[in-house]
Amino acid sequence: QQPVQSPQAVILREGEDAVINCSSSKALYSVHWYRQKHGEAPVFLMILLKGGEQKGHEKISASFNEKKQQSSLYLTASQLSYSGTYFCGTVWQYNTDKLIFGTGTRLQVFP
Amino acid sequence: DTGVSQDPRHKITKRGQNVTFRCDPISEHNRLYWYRQTLGQGPEFLTYFQNEAQLEKSRLLSDRFSAERPKGSFSTLEIQRTEQGDSAMYLCASGPAGTGGNNSPLHFGNGTRLTVT
Repeated sequence: QQPVQSPQAVILREGEDAVINCSSSKALYSVHWYRQKHGEAPVFLMILLKGGEQKGHEKISASFNEKKQQSSLYLTASQLSYSGTYFCGTVWQYNTDKLIFGTGTRLQVFP
Repeated sequence: DTGVSQDPRHKITKRGQNVTFRCDPISEHNRLYWYRQTLGQGPEFLTYFQNEAQLEKSRLLSDRFSAERPKGSFSTLEIQRTEQGDSAMYLCASGPAGTGGNNSPLHFGNGTRLTVT
């Protein structure tokens, strides 16, 4: 039931783009995205709700495809500060707040 | 807003001992979550509360793990008869009341790292 993320790891040079996917075996109501740097707590990035529009801020955005039960996180013109592990978190029903995290994608950005 | 606070930051215990962790959420948040995370893995859901009510819990909490939030403020997570496989980071997170489907962000504490020897 844990969402599966792909790829497992990405290595980028500054300025390059990346896409991280999160796939669920169950229908989704909402998807969260978090970034966790080594030794630190996960930090919230954004939430996408069923029926909602693509969200984003600055150079990080995300989409939610209800039919495919999938969300994608887009990082454009990556910066060194983007390095970390990205987790999606999924909620399957409107009447629950239970958030299940995905397998994670480790992103490393080099100068 | 002082953030989510967890205590202790580190705990080393011998196998078979009981341990208890505390989490103080952001004061106006009524949702509180416990997760467990091992190296290289995503946070694993343990349980969550809305105010003092424990609404959902994983199978882990039916055995040696128990969590409480007696007054709807701080929470405790207890592990009885610890095993080496319990070694992990235990994360607490809190969030404001949502309108369903977890549509508001979670704020995580820095975690309690448990080492069972």
